[in-house]
Amino acid sequence: GQSLEQPSEVTAVEGAIVQINCTYQTSGFYGLSWYQQHDGGAPTFLSYNALDGLEETGRFSSFLSRSDSYGYLLLQELQMKDSASYFCAVNTGFQKLVFGTGTRLLVSP
Amino acid sequence: GAVVSQHPSRVICKSGTSVKIECRSLDFQATTMFWYRQFPKKSLMLMATSNEGSKATYEQGVEKDKFLINHASLTLSTLTVTSAHPEDSSFYICSAMSSYNEQFFGPGTRLTVL
Repeated sequence: GQSLEQPSEVTAVEGAIVQINCTYQTSGFYGLSWYQQHDGGAPTFLSYNALDGLEETGRFSSFLSRSDSYGYLLLQELQMKDSASYFCAVNTGFQKLVFGTGTRLLVSP
Repeated sequence: GAVVSQHPSRVICKSGTSVKIECRSLDFQATTMFWYRQFPKKSLMLMATSNEGSKATYEQGVEKDKFLINHASLTLSTLTVTSAHPEDSSFYICSAMSSYNEQFFGPGTRLTVL
């Protein structure tokens, strides 16, 4: 089967840095994406890695190691509005996405 | 950025009735759209791939006669939940793929079957 494992919940304070890990086991791999979803809302795209290494987009960075089937999302200078669920997703081919279990991030003052 | 809409945003229906959910790409054409299902506090599960002008491709375990998908134009895909039952209650989300292979998600439709 296919699986993408993430921690279920992470807590942090405003201004801190937090890392959300994702380990995956899929039948195909064409890239790892990260999405943010607020309760009742649509997933919004944050970052994408097709190759190994770090991608930086403002306060968000994402890392991928294909040999370890592992990636992470790094959120810096946390703000209260960052409280949401975060999902990693693997493109398994033909742009089909398999989503991770999701991590709920709680940012406190 | 690209916008995808879904209608309705919420629907409540009686058991045994059918419900149609629309997914539209508002400012781009999408030959491929995807339908997902999400239970509360759970992940998104891909249900099917909708291709304009051809039959949808369903994921393993998804009943194609239960969840009818039609992609009649480059901007519209519809998901019809036939003979809905309480276990079909869920959050249904669509996404549309742009010509640059980016996926843009709709705001979701919350279906409650009584």
